[in-house]
Amino acid sequence: EAGVAQSPRYKIIEKRQSVAFWCNPISGHATLYWYQQILGQGPKLLIQFQNNGVVDDSQLPKDRFSAERLKGVDSTLKIQPAKLEDSAVYLCASSYRPGTAAGLQETQYFGPGTRLLVL
Amino acid sequence: TQLLEQSPQFLSIQEGENLTVYCNSSSVFSSLQWYRQEPGEGPVLLVTVVTGGEVKKLKRLTFQFGDARKDSSLHITAAQPGDTGLYLCAGALMNTGFQKLVFGTGTRLLVSP
Repeated sequence: EAGVAQSPRYKIIEKRQSVAFWCNPISGHATLYWYQQILGQGPKLLIQFQNNGVVDDSQLPKDRFSAERLKGVDSTLKIQPAKLEDSAVYLCASSYRPGTAAGLQETQYFGPGTRLLVL
Repeated sequence: TQLLEQSPQFLSIQEGENLTVYCNSSSVFSSLQWYRQEPGEGPVLLVTVVTGGEVKKLKRLTFQFGDARKDSSLHITAAQPGDTGLYLCAGALMNTGFQKLVFGTGTRLLVSP
């Protein structure tokens, strides 16, 4: 079974430029997550999708970050314009269980991440 | 806001030594997961503990969930170089019926031969 795919793996841009990341989750996984992992820290959830709907985007800096999952499969995360502090690894994850009150043991499968450096 | 604090942040030991990593919070979680992340890769789930006081063993790794479901520990016996990596705990919170993971600050482990 193929894992979570992400591209590009690395990206270097200058501040104020735009950048987009792509994620293709494991086939059949209804839930998709985008995380930001700054060097030396644990991942921080940016946005969570259930099929093509947003479940949680409370920590997404909406003035510059946007994400979509139009057909409920793959997803893109965009930053416009980028700031120096956006330098981080952007991780995509997916899970099979749709997320219910009884979903205590939901397993998230992570992609390899996109490493972004903003100069 | 980081809800989960891990200690120590860094650990460098020799092969064969034992170690314990702690994950502490003031919040109650429905479950607690431990991940290991290697350079250039995403985190990989090691174990999920659900019940307060639960202990799970995975070969040389022992995971414990605190009685109040606010903290957890990971103990590695006779560490090997292959155990090197970033260890992350993650607490599960329920948000409008959906599970949300809050990750800890991470513990970077280096095991030297």
